[in-house]
Amino acid sequence: GAVVSQHPSWVICKSGTSVKIECRSLDFQATTMFWYRQFPKQSLMLMATSNEGSKATYEQGVEKDKFLINHASLTLSTLTVTSAHPEDSSFYICSASGTPQSSYNEQFFGPGTRLTVL
Amino acid sequence: GEDVEQSLFLSVREGDSSVINCTYTDSSSTYLYWYKQEPGAGLQLLTYIFSNMDMKQDQRLTVLLNKKDKHLSLRIADTQTGDSAIYFCAESFYGGSQGNLIFGKGTKLSVKP
Repeated sequence: GAVVSQHPSWVICKSGTSVKIECRSLDFQATTMFWYRQFPKQSLMLMATSNEGSKATYEQGVEKDKFLINHASLTLSTLTVTSAHPEDSSFYICSASGTPQSSYNEQFFGPGTRLTVL
Repeated sequence: GEDVEQSLFLSVREGDSSVINCTYTDSSSTYLYWYKQEPGAGLQLLTYIFSNMDMKQDQRLTVLLNKKDKHLSLRIADTQTGDSAIYFCAESFYGGSQGNLIFGKGTKLSVKP
């Protein structure tokens, strides 16, 4: 089946630094990738949708200058949290959908990245 | 706007059936999904149902959809300790790869031996 990986699986950083999270589709071409944020005991909140080669579409309330998304190839998308602060600490999950597109719009989820900002 | 509601907790004994319920507000959804999330991991698609179907069965899983009441349920037969996880109900509205998923808060299923 389709596999999506994320790297790193967890990261601890100091306040004010930037952190990059990678999302890779390992065995299919991901034309669209999604980035979610999950707080403890909460649902997944969609942050942004990115299509390969074009700018990401951010959800309302998500700062695009703080959460930089790049989808430069059909197998890789990156999320950079710039000038991270403790309130950015969260579980970040990416998902991908691609070709051939399934009939039920399936998104394949990565295992998530736990970000802790000190 | 779209809203998906789930009860937060469910506890069952090993071997019993589990029923996880979900309600949604937008009747224009195209597909409804059940995802499983184990601790510290991403989401795994368990099953899905197209919005014009009433029921779907897949081995131990049975999905029931009541469009009139906007109610979706997931029944797990012969629940095992390995089924302990958080189960998310989700709905999507668009076709193609732009599909946007709206998730519920998740139901934490605890299976007691």
